[in-house]
Amino acid sequence: QSVLTQPPSASGTPGQRLTISCSGSGSNIGTNSVNWYQQLPGTAPRLLFYSYNQRPSGVPDRFSGSQSGTSASLAIRGLQSEDEADYFCAAWDDSRNGFVFGTGTTVTVL
Amino acid sequence: EVQLVESGGGLVQPGGSLRLSCAASGITVDNSAMHWVRQAPGKALEWVSGINWSGSNRGYGDSVKGRFTISRDSAKNSLYLQMNSLRPEDTALYYCASGEAADSWGQGTLVVVSS
Repeated sequence: QSVLTQPPSASGTPGQRLTISCSGSGSNIGTNSVNWYQQLPGTAPRLLFYSYNQRPSGVPDRFSGSQSGTSASLAIRGLQSEDEADYFCAAWDDSRNGFVFGTGTTVTVL
Repeated sequence: EVQLVESGGGLVQPGGSLRLSCAASGITVDNSAMHWVRQAPGKALEWVSGINWSGSNRGYGDSVKGRFTISRDSAKNSLYLQMNSLRPEDTALYYCASGEAADSWGQGTLVVVSS
């Protein structure tokens, strides 16, 4: 059911830089900004990055987003054990008149 | 600080109905974009429905169109989701979220559709 495609898993060692990709189409990522959410085990999602270059207060600047064409990515700089979580991308889809989410990526810190 | 508290979930038989509520504080639901997002156990997030700040645009995910209705009550500062003709595949944790980018989330209310 997910319209946006993410790799199911990603892993890295502490201090490493990790990138998660999100692939969509012209009616969503190709036209609108991508939001990124972090979901720690057993908790509600938390907004990490949105509107091309915005980070909510309280979110470390280790997290950054970018997008080009119909793809987007989330970069985590200086990976920490507390970053172990599921990460989801999302974007408004003009043809569906609604939000679409990604398939989700589980990040493991080795 | 924005707080969203969902309620109304429970066990319901296939074909039944439920009404979810989301009580808000720290924001005025009448002036905010609001969303319902669900997550089946072990699965990805799925956008269910949303309403823009003015109420002029209400959208629904393909899997719930014609069965679910989103509404809000300014007096109670609450968001609602009326769910009819429920199916087993509607079983999920239902979250309420506020803001254009869904920047604040509640803790969710669990809906189980089973006979």
